Amino acid sequence: DGGITQSPKYLFRKEGQNVTLSCEQNLNHDAMYWYRQDPGQGLRLIYYSQIVNDFQKGDIAEGYSVSREKKESFPLTVTSAQKNPTAFYLCASSMLSAQEDIQYFGAGTRLSVL
Amino acid sequence: SQQGEEDPQALSIQEGENATMNCSYKTSINNLQWYRQNSGRGLVHLILIRSNEREKHSGRLRVTLDTSKKSSSLLITASRAADTASYFCASYNNNDMRFGAGTRLTVKP
Repeated sequence: DGGITQSPKYLFRKEGQNVTLSCEQNLNHDAMYWYRQDPGQGLRLIYYSQIVNDFQKGDIAEGYSVSREKKESFPLTVTSAQKNPTAFYLCASSMLSAQEDIQYFGAGTRLSVL
Repeated sequence: SQQGEEDPQALSIQEGENATMNCSYKTSINNLQWYRQNSGRGLVHLILIRSNEREKHSGRLRVTLDTSKKSSSLLITASRAADTASYFCASYNNNDMRFGAGTRLTVKP
């Protein structure tokens, strides 16, 4: 998990509330990613960013928003429009090599609904 | 993001035995990667095999790739209790990474 810090480790959301998950990296990586993982399942891409001030929707972007104001930071907001937010959220970063791109992951944030 | 299928979904073996996990993917790739996830933690990269390679070794890990069948396998030899984790394959093609659903490996001491 070195180099990528996610916080908090656990987060609880109330009905109608927006919550923001933090992701910071000190690896000087250009690209950053947010994934959602449901129990016993693989990773689904929410959003990704390849450069500051630019980001793209992944496969399940509805109900989520992101920003990339700094290279080191890529926060994810889970909005009230996301009706089933309970999941494990993983942030990753990479050098963005066209041929060989390895992703480095944070330790994750577990989000639950109160 | 899920493209591949992993087989089996769960595998339970005794310490010292070998563990083999299989992965299939759907599109052409630049490379295929394997990651490990301990319970409640992030993924850690294990090994990468390029599309023009057929086999690669790293310590107790051996990965094979068959691009004609769009499949890969991960072999962990002489398994240890500490190898207990979920293992995911990820197919990579031009900045697009797709993860499989994973194999849950349990190694009993």
